[in-house]
Amino acid sequence: GDSVTQMEGPVTLSEEAFLTINCTYTATGYPSLFWYVQYPGEGLQLLLKATKADDKGSNKGFEATYRKETTSFHLEKGSVQVSDSAVYFCALNNYGQNFVFGPGTRLSVLP
Amino acid sequence: GAVVSQHPSWVICKSGTSVKIECRSLDFQATTMFWYRQFPKQSLMLMATSNEGSKATYEQGVEKDKFLINHASLTLSTLTVTSAHPEDSSFYICSAKTGRYGYTFGSGTRLTVV
Repeated sequence: GDSVTQMEGPVTLSEEAFLTINCTYTATGYPSLFWYVQYPGEGLQLLLKATKADDKGSNKGFEATYRKETTSFHLEKGSVQVSDSAVYFCALNNYGQNFVFGPGTRLSVLP
Repeated sequence: GAVVSQHPSWVICKSGTSVKIECRSLDFQATTMFWYRQFPKQSLMLMATSNEGSKATYEQGVEKDKFLINHASLTLSTLTVTSAHPEDSSFYICSAKTGRYGYTFGSGTRLTVV
């Protein structure tokens, strides 16, 4: 079946550091790819998405590019802030069905 | 944008009692609702898929008699945890499709069974 693998962390960075969270997937067909963020005690918020190969999703300084050849969707941000501390989930959705989530990566940004 | 309202946000119940969680689509019709569960420090796992007017489809390992899902209308889906036990303590969240690539999640329900 479909699956998503991502670095589990935790990841601890200093403010203004560069962030990369790796995500790779296995799926049949051509899924849509997503990054969701979960702040402490809250639900999921869509961070960004890409629906086809070579698409780049971006939002709030975060970006990720759908790489079909490497089946990857790595999340990057050039300069993290303390407020970015959260758990980040990579996910795929194949043909409008349910989401398959990665295990989540906990990010802590220190001032 | 499309909003799914999920209630309650958190609930504490005694072991052996039942708890109902509601997900209501506020400005669209949710033909299909997905229910996920997230144990502490783990990822979200699909529990079941409900379609309006028909029986829910449960994932392997999820007890359908324990987790009752009702999707009687296009704007309301409910998950009832029957005879809850401490091991059912988890974060439950629903999701609905709002368009070809659009999905929206409820805010989640944190259930603690004592």
